[in-house]
Amino acid sequence: DVKVTQSSRYLVKRTGEKVFLECVQDMDHENMFWYRQDPGLGLRLIYFSYDVKMKEKGDIPEGYSVSREKKERFSLILESASTNQTSMYLCASSFVGMDRGQYEQYFGPGTRLTVT
Amino acid sequence: DAKTTQPTSMDCAEGRAANLPCNHSTISGNEYVYWYRQIHSQGPQYIIHGLKNNETNEMASLIITEDRKSSTLILPHATLRDTAVYYCIVRDKGGDAGGTSYGKLTFGQGTILTVHP
Repeated sequence: DVKVTQSSRYLVKRTGEKVFLECVQDMDHENMFWYRQDPGLGLRLIYFSYDVKMKEKGDIPEGYSVSREKKERFSLILESASTNQTSMYLCASSFVGMDRGQYEQYFGPGTRLTVT
Repeated sequence: DAKTTQPTSMDCAEGRAANLPCNHSTISGNEYVYWYRQIHSQGPQYIIHGLKNNETNEMASLIITEDRKSSTLILPHATLRDTAVYYCIVRDKGGDAGGTSYGKLTFGQGTILTVHP
């Protein structure tokens, strides 16, 4: 079974702190994604990565950065946390087929971040 | 990606089949229909996907109409653990399958399925 793990289920941070959210997948997937989920807004893509050291902005990258130094690990960084970044953060991974098509995504359990 | 329309909520009795509809009248030829679900306080879970033909796996069946403008996800014997929000997503696969998607999933509001005893 594909397993995507996230470093914390719940996290409470203060405004202005630097926050690291870690995600690890064990299926050698090329693609990894960071989403945030808020009531009434659904899932929104923050960043994704299609290879080590490669990254692309999603729909809402402002206030976030990412790092992918190893294939299995994708980190989301909040440089200076703000209260409007209180949210559920979801990591996902997927493989790229021989046809270069994007296949189904497997999600981690999520990290509920509260910024006070 | 094509827009989808799903009922806001549905109920189902435990042990019965749950049939969740999805309309996607603007779907294009290279777009697939994907279903995910999200159980409370967990990450979304992939269920099944299809292009034209009906599909079945250990979790569910997917019935796609001939004109591909709508589909139905079937959970043959719903259990209490199937209570979740079910999302129907239409998107292309990118790559040689055509389209320009880089894999982003756009989740709508989904259908809240409640399975009751």
